[in-house]
Amino acid sequence: EVQLLESGGGLGQPGGSLRLSCAASGFPFSTYAMTWVRQAPGKGLEWVSTITNIGDSTYYTDSVKGRFTISRDNSKNTLSLQMSSLRAEDTAVYYCAKGNYGSGSPTGAMDVWGQGTTVTVSS
Amino acid sequence: SYELTQPPSVSVSPGQTARITCSGDALPKQYAYWYQQKPGQAPVLVIFEDSERPSEIPERFSGSSSGTTVTLTISGVQAEDEADYYCQSADSSGIYVFGSGTKVTVL
Repeated sequence: EVQLLESGGGLGQPGGSLRLSCAASGFPFSTYAMTWVRQAPGKGLEWVSTITNIGDSTYYTDSVKGRFTISRDNSKNTLSLQMSSLRAEDTAVYYCAKGNYGSGSPTGAMDVWGQGTTVTVSS
Repeated sequence: SYELTQPPSVSVSPGQTARITCSGDALPKQYAYWYQQKPGQAPVLVIFEDSERPSEIPERFSGSSSGTTVTLTISGVQAEDEADYYCQSADSSGIYVFGSGTKVTVL
């Protein structure tokens, strides 16, 4: 069974850091690009970041550039999102999602999603 | 910044047809994708590449494209189809963009 399981969410301080992880199983992880998408309370979906299958390219939405870093460990089938300089507006459910493509800019479908992990930024 | 425009809500009676539109200037050049999200759940891909349906998605879901508008059609709507629906595509730089979402209410 194809599965994505996020962890690492919780309460973060403004200006602080959190690290999210996503454990993948049931598919050849190193073949596919991976993406983080977030959803603020009561709001719509927002693309956050994408990394290509071998990690040679990364992409970020403007609001997180310079603060968030996406990475992957293909030997451990794990995707990560290092979040720093946290802001209140980063409060959201964070989903990891599998792309249906491997390389290139993020334009394809996200065909498998995890259940999400909640990040709350508050003092 | 590039935007995909969706109606905030669509209401439909059971058995009728729901149509959800998504408009964007880059849609003639970029594929569109549709996701269904029920309360408290993760999104699910229901249409990819404008009109293709994953094998596990019921046939009543279909997609189409015309110029700068793509449409998700749900034929013979069922109560279980009540959900938020999001279109997704890419801007001219090839970066993901989501529409604002459409809440489908089954009357």
